[in-house]
Amino acid sequence: SQQGEEDPQALSIQEGENATMNCSYKTSINNLQWYRQNSGRGLVHLILIRSNEREKHSGRLRVTLDTSKKSSSLLITASRAADTASYFCATANPSGSGAGSYQLTFGKGTKLSVIP
Amino acid sequence: DVKVTQSSRYLVKRTGEKVFLECVQDMDHENMFWYRQDPGLGLRLIYFSYDVKMKEKGDIPEGYSVSREKKERFSLILESASTNQTSMYLCASSPDLISDTQYFGPGTRLTVL
Repeated sequence: SQQGEEDPQALSIQEGENATMNCSYKTSINNLQWYRQNSGRGLVHLILIRSNEREKHSGRLRVTLDTSKKSSSLLITASRAADTASYFCATANPSGSGAGSYQLTFGKGTKLSVIP
Repeated sequence: DVKVTQSSRYLVKRTGEKVFLECVQDMDHENMFWYRQDPGLGLRLIYFSYDVKMKEKGDIPEGYSVSREKKERFSLILESASTNQTSMYLCASSPDLISDTQYFGPGTRLTVL
């Protein structure tokens, strides 16, 4: 079942500009994570924000979480051509499974193109 | 660094063949996952395992089975491959089912003819 939905689906910016991607979700979460995927490769974890946190930074990345609006945003500052990739949000929400409490559910991603 | 490896980057099989996709992680993680990724559909969980010999169905288990005989190895099996199983398959592991972070392998692009 799809939980997070990223917006926009695709984004094209010039090198040096900031890129903002948004993620909305429907049910309560334990945490929300952002991942990056270069074309044809596996996903790489970028940052995790817990449900009791509002903002988190990692290098040029800034993530915010608004649990009242059930939304998160990922900001990449001073973008570089190497940032070109797809970005996915993933929410850790109760899975309903008897074995594990939580399941990570991924959105469909935002495809970011940074033009040199 | 955590390393998750998958047995093949590209695989071509014929309809009806039995297909094994292997995944190995080197960080003693408890949990391992198999996803498939298709354009427009994102990542969908097929199966996961939280311990040796333990498995749980994900969102789309039909047509697949899994095996986890050793902690570091998680296999995905397509008993009789079909063309609609052509996809990118991603394996991941995590130390904690509350999903603090999942570590992904490079993926296997499977084509079923």
